[in-house]
Amino acid sequence: TQLLEQSPQFLSIQEGENLTVYCNSSSVFSSLQWYRQEPGEGPVLLVTVVTGGEVKKLKRLTFQFGDARKDSSLHITAAQPGDTGLYLCAGDGSGTYKYIFGTGTRLKVLA
Amino acid sequence: NAGVTQTPKFRILKIGQSMTLQCTQDMNHNYMYWYRQDPGMGLKLIYYSVGAGITDKGEVPNGYNVSRSTTEDFPLRLELAAPSQTSVYFCASTGGPGQMFIRPQHFGDGTRLSIL
Repeated sequence: TQLLEQSPQFLSIQEGENLTVYCNSSSVFSSLQWYRQEPGEGPVLLVTVVTGGEVKKLKRLTFQFGDARKDSSLHITAAQPGDTGLYLCAGDGSGTYKYIFGTGTRLKVLA
Repeated sequence: NAGVTQTPKFRILKIGQSMTLQCTQDMNHNYMYWYRQDPGMGLKLIYYSVGAGITDKGEVPNGYNVSRSTTEDFPLRLELAAPSQTSVYFCASTGGPGQMFIRPQHFGDGTRLSIL
């Protein structure tokens, strides 16, 4: 059974601080996606990483896919209150059409 | 564009009642999914469909049924509602050209269901 564990589960930081969220598995994924979910809404895709070692940047957000394609990280530089939300990683279920979602990291950025 | 539309947005059921959560998408996506999200948690897959007439179980299918008679619609039915089914339910779809798992899933805004 493929599992995606995210850490930390909760994170409360001050505006301007940096943070990193981790998404780890013992399984290999051909791709990983990161989503952000705001209260009362469905998740929205931030990025997809597909190549081992790949780094993608989206303004102040930096996403990395591990060399072995078993883990990924999301780094936010100079966090802002607008970054507050639930961050979810999701990977392809190998040989299926299913997405496996991580356990989630709830981020709160205080002004 | 409407995207993925879920109805109702909120519902309270009594134990033992049944109901159908509606989901429709206007993007001509082949793949559709139903997830549940318990408070503060990630998403757990209930059922999914890879096209009209084809459905399969996800991680937590017990107590639910689905059907996919058209590309656009993917209703989720709860039979004999139980308090453990209190959750937020999300429908999602994906499709289009290219490798499947590179495409984003498009989510509806969810149905908040309470079983009392």
